[in-house]
Amino acid sequence: GENVEQHPSTLSVQEGDSAVIKCTYSDSASNYFPWYKQELGKGPQLIIDIRSNVGEKKDQRIAVTLNKTAKHFSLHITETQPEDSAVYFCAASTANTGNQFYFGTGTSLTVIP
Amino acid sequence: NAGVMQNPRHLVRRRGQEARLRCSPMKGHSHVYWYRQLPEEGLKFMVYLQKENIIDESGMPKERFSAEFPKEGPSILRIQQVVRGDSAAYFCASSPYPGYYNEQFFGPGTRLTVL
Repeated sequence: GENVEQHPSTLSVQEGDSAVIKCTYSDSASNYFPWYKQELGKGPQLIIDIRSNVGEKKDQRIAVTLNKTAKHFSLHITETQPEDSAVYFCAASTANTGNQFYFGTGTSLTVIP
Repeated sequence: NAGVMQNPRHLVRRRGQEARLRCSPMKGHSHVYWYRQLPEEGLKFMVYLQKENIIDESGMPKERFSAEFPKEGPSILRIQQVVRGDSAAYFCASSPYPGYYNEQFFGPGTRLTVL
């Protein structure tokens, strides 16, 4: 089955700096890659997603890039703010695996004011 | 439009007891997924259900765990004879379409503690 690895596990940045989180996946058939933000005590919330037919997607301060050849995708957050502090999870899915998402182990992001 | 609802939010059980976790999907969503999150880990898929049908239970332990999504009412994840290793956060997600290519909307989770 699919194996998603995520790095780093923890990340601290100064407010205003950029943050980058990287994920790799193993199943070349994976074609949907969502990113979720989880705040303490809450469920994951989708912040951005990308499908395999595009290489990059941007939404205000958040962007995601996908390299299908290398089987990796990254989350970029620019001009970070304290409210960006949370745990971020990448995920991958494919129709071959019957609708389930495979999640990375998470990155705990701390934005220092 | 209310989001995905889960209850209870916190559940404490002693070893050997039963745990019942409930999930009400978003209005109009007929696809429900259950995930388990162990401390310091990512979410692991357990089961995917549509109304009255289990579509994929490949991630669910064969013993003690069961799930249902009846025609009326919430989806239920049932854990019989709980053990300490069952302590985790259990999240339910729903989607209006099969989820592999579409967003899954997550509930706030039920945090199960087994004493």
